[in-house]
Amino acid sequence: SQTIHQWPATLVQPVGSPLSLECTVEGTSNPNLYWYRQAAGRGLQLLFYSVGIGQISSEVPQNLSASRPQDRQFILSSKKLLLSDSGFYLCAWEGLQGEGGYTFGSGTRLTVV
Amino acid sequence: GQNIDQPTEMTATEGAIVQINCTYQTSGFNGLFWYQQHAGEAPTFLSYNVLDGLEEKGRFSSFLSRSKGYSYLLLKELQMKDSASYLCAVLTDSWGKLQFGAGTQVVVTP
Repeated sequence: SQTIHQWPATLVQPVGSPLSLECTVEGTSNPNLYWYRQAAGRGLQLLFYSVGIGQISSEVPQNLSASRPQDRQFILSSKKLLLSDSGFYLCAWEGLQGEGGYTFGSGTRLTVV
Repeated sequence: GQNIDQPTEMTATEGAIVQINCTYQTSGFNGLFWYQQHAGEAPTFLSYNVLDGLEEKGRFSSFLSRSKGYSYLLLKELQMKDSASYLCAVLTDSWGKLQFGAGTQVVVTP
């Protein structure tokens, strides 16, 4: 069966520090992968998506970046965090349409202080 | 641009029925999803509509009218555990880009 792992669960980082969030998928090959952010009381905002190794598309300009070094690994990074980067970050794998759409990782609660 | 609107909050009594409406104006449409999200947790899939009409899954039903850009999620026989945020999401591309509404917080009272 397919599973998606995301870590860490929570993170408190100072402004200006770097960030690395990792997401891995098991039980499938060549998945479409997504990074979303959810600010407090807001909807999910699509940040990046990837249809294969080294293929990254950005939805919104920001100081975040994403990489896909392996087929089932998707990484979200920042060189210098801003206060506005605080939020709930979710990695998602696209399952079969009509059978669940996205499967989300458990999320990372990031607080920038 | 993409516009997906749903009410911010709804309150209902245990055992009652609640209908959450979602209207959308998007650049493309390849289906509409409803997700449930409990506080601090990831969203979980509830339903999917791509053709007009009603889809029923136990206590949950979802309706779609593509011509009106409208969907609703119907929750019957409400239970306390149904207190959560319900997210409407539109698949705007054929391969998987989901655009989400801000979510509707449903509060179930005894």
